[in-house]
Amino acid sequence: EAGVAQSPRYKIIEKRQSVAFWCNPISGHATLYWYQQILGQGPKLLIQFQNNGVVDDSQLPKDRFSAERLKGVDSTLKIQPAKLEDSAVYLCASNSGGGGYNEQFFGPGTRLTVL
Amino acid sequence: DAKTTQPNSMESNEEEPVHLPCNHSTISGTDYIHWYRQLPSQGPEYVIHGLTSNVNNRMASLAIAEDRKSSTLILHRATLRDAAVYYCILKMDSSYKLIFGSGTRLLVRP
Repeated sequence: EAGVAQSPRYKIIEKRQSVAFWCNPISGHATLYWYQQILGQGPKLLIQFQNNGVVDDSQLPKDRFSAERLKGVDSTLKIQPAKLEDSAVYLCASNSGGGGYNEQFFGPGTRLTVL
Repeated sequence: DAKTTQPNSMESNEEEPVHLPCNHSTISGTDYIHWYRQLPSQGPEYVIHGLTSNVNNRMASLAIAEDRKSSTLILHRATLRDAAVYYCILKMDSSYKLIFGSGTRLLVRP
């Protein structure tokens, strides 16, 4: 079974530039998550999709971050404009949804450096 | 959301058992205890979960205190590949959310 795919793996940009990350979840997984992981910290949930609808975006800085999941499969996360504090690893995860013990499957992440 | 407390780091020798503790004194009756780990330069991966009873799987064992206010992840024979950050997470039965703390960084000495 193919895992969660993310691209690019690394990205370096100047502050105030724009950047986009792409995620392809495991086939058939209805729920998709984007996390931000700052160095030395655990991942923090930014946004959660159920199919192509947003379930939770309470932690997403909406003035600069946006995300979409058209057709309920792939997803993109965009930052515009980037700030120095956005330097982090952006992780995508997916599962078939549901509460309880439903494990999340994570991709390898995209490491963003903002100069 | 209920909070967990873990040591920042632990060390172990290769091929010895490792006991990773987690305190969660404010756990509620519907919270599952999940453990994930994150190997260097990778995303987190699921290890094990439990509700009330001790659990075993191919990766590890989870021992849950009778009052459920603490739990211990047990790696029976640590290998160098087990060096990772281990996260103890409480997850409500009805919730999708995983709320990660800072975890425990496990170092395995050869």
